[in-house]
Amino acid sequence: DAKTTQPTSMDCAEGRAANLPCNHSTISGNEYVYWYRQIHSQGPQYIIHGLKNNETNEMASLIITEDRKSSTLILPHATLRDTAVYYCIVFTQGGSEKLVFGKGTKLTVNP
Amino acid sequence: GAVVSQHPSWVICKSGTSVKIECRSLDFQATTMFWYRQFPKQSLMLMATSNEGSKATYEQGVEKDKFLINHASLTLSTLTVTSAHPEDSSFYICSARVGATDTQYFGPGTRLTVL
Repeated sequence: DAKTTQPTSMDCAEGRAANLPCNHSTISGNEYVYWYRQIHSQGPQYIIHGLKNNETNEMASLIITEDRKSSTLILPHATLRDTAVYYCIVFTQGGSEKLVFGKGTKLTVNP
Repeated sequence: GAVVSQHPSWVICKSGTSVKIECRSLDFQATTMFWYRQFPKQSLMLMATSNEGSKATYEQGVEKDKFLINHASLTLSTLTVTSAHPEDSSFYICSARVGATDTQYFGPGTRLTVL
């Protein structure tokens, strides 16, 4: 079972920031928070991951709360092409743990 | 990011035939690859973990004799669906793990339709 909780769906206006929340209240100390997205009929696309500190790359920013029980993925200027299902996954590096995909959040970016 | 390809992108076959799907890591070597299946309006379900040079590890409920996995090199894993039936129609997706960070990169998927 997925160890995260995400809203089923969200809407965002084109050009505005999209903030996607994720709860992972049972996260353990060595588990990372990974974000992927899946555009319709395509394979998932890696976005970003982090352990404790906030992370930023060319796609998005990841804000992790100090207690690590929740995080927010931020797409700073959403475009129509960002419409997708976004998955938040907690995962331990270096072991035999597998990525477990939950239902994710369906983000719809509206013109 | 790392690039993973799949071939074919879609395939239609008759019931009872076998279908092979290839997964390649194009710009990195992957000792571990994964095969997922996704039915309409559902999330990805892991089928098996493919390790280069050794037998694949299958998830509970996945028939290893029906879904044959071969990982003969560090850049290629294949999934063969044997004696395919209409209920095997699905979206099959592979991923490859980059060793340094354990981050998985996914292929574009293969749509299998069994008539």
